[in-house]
Amino acid sequence: SQELEQSPQSLIVQEGKNLTINCTSSKTLYGLYWYKQKYGEGLIFLMMLQKGGEEKSHEKITAKLDEKKQQSSLHITASQPSHAGIYLCGADIGYGGSQGNLIFGKGTKLSVKP
Amino acid sequence: EAGVAQSPRYKIIEKRQSVAFWCNPISGHATLYWYQQILGQGPKLLIQFQNNGVVDDSQLPKDRFSAERLKGVDSTLKIQPAKLEDSAVYLCASSLRLSGGYTFGSGTRLTVV
Repeated sequence: SQELEQSPQSLIVQEGKNLTINCTSSKTLYGLYWYKQKYGEGLIFLMMLQKGGEEKSHEKITAKLDEKKQQSSLHITASQPSHAGIYLCGADIGYGGSQGNLIFGKGTKLSVKP
Repeated sequence: EAGVAQSPRYKIIEKRQSVAFWCNPISGHATLYWYQQILGQGPKLLIQFQNNGVVDDSQLPKDRFSAERLKGVDSTLKIQPAKLEDSAVYLCASSLRLSGGYTFGSGTRLTVV
C-alpha cells in the first residue's frame, strides 16, 4: 500500500483561483517536503516542514503540517499558469535514527487555464 | 552554490543493452541518493550512499543494477542489461547530512525500446 497518499491526483483550475493539495501519511512524519516537477525533469524544492502545526509561505504558496504530523496541505492562492506542474510530497518517516531517505507520494498534476 | 549535476539528460537504448548515468553532488554533501521515477509515479529510492559507503540498497534490483561512489564524491548508476520496464527518469539527490536538506538534479530520462 502507498505510505504517502496525495489528493487529488490531478487538478485543473482557472487562472486566479485558489487550490489545495493534500498529503496524508499512515505514519508520523519526521520531515515533510514539498517539491514541484516539470514533466520528466528534476524536482524543485518548495518547502520543508518538521514541527506539528508549522506553516510556511513562499510567494503565493503556503504549506502546513498538522499537529499530529500525519498530514500536510499545500495551498496556492490566485493561481497562475507558472504554477502548472506536478507537485510531490516527500517524507522522512524513519523513527529516531532515521536513515534520512525520502518516500514520495504519486504526485498531483496541476493545470492552470489562462 | 552549484547544484547537483547529472548526465546525460536523455538516453534511448534498446533492451538488453547497457547504460550508465553519472551524478556529481553538491560540494561537501556526504549523502547521495539515486531514485527511479516511472511515469505517473513518485520517485522510489534505489540506493543511498553516505560518503563512499552504502546505507540502503534494499530496493536496488541487484541482478541488473549497480552503483558506486568512489572517493565519496561522484557516483555512477549502471543498468546491465536493460529491460523495457526500466524506462523512467533517474534522479540523483544529495544532502549535507543524513537527514534533511535534499537537493535534486535535473534527472536522466531513459527510454528502453
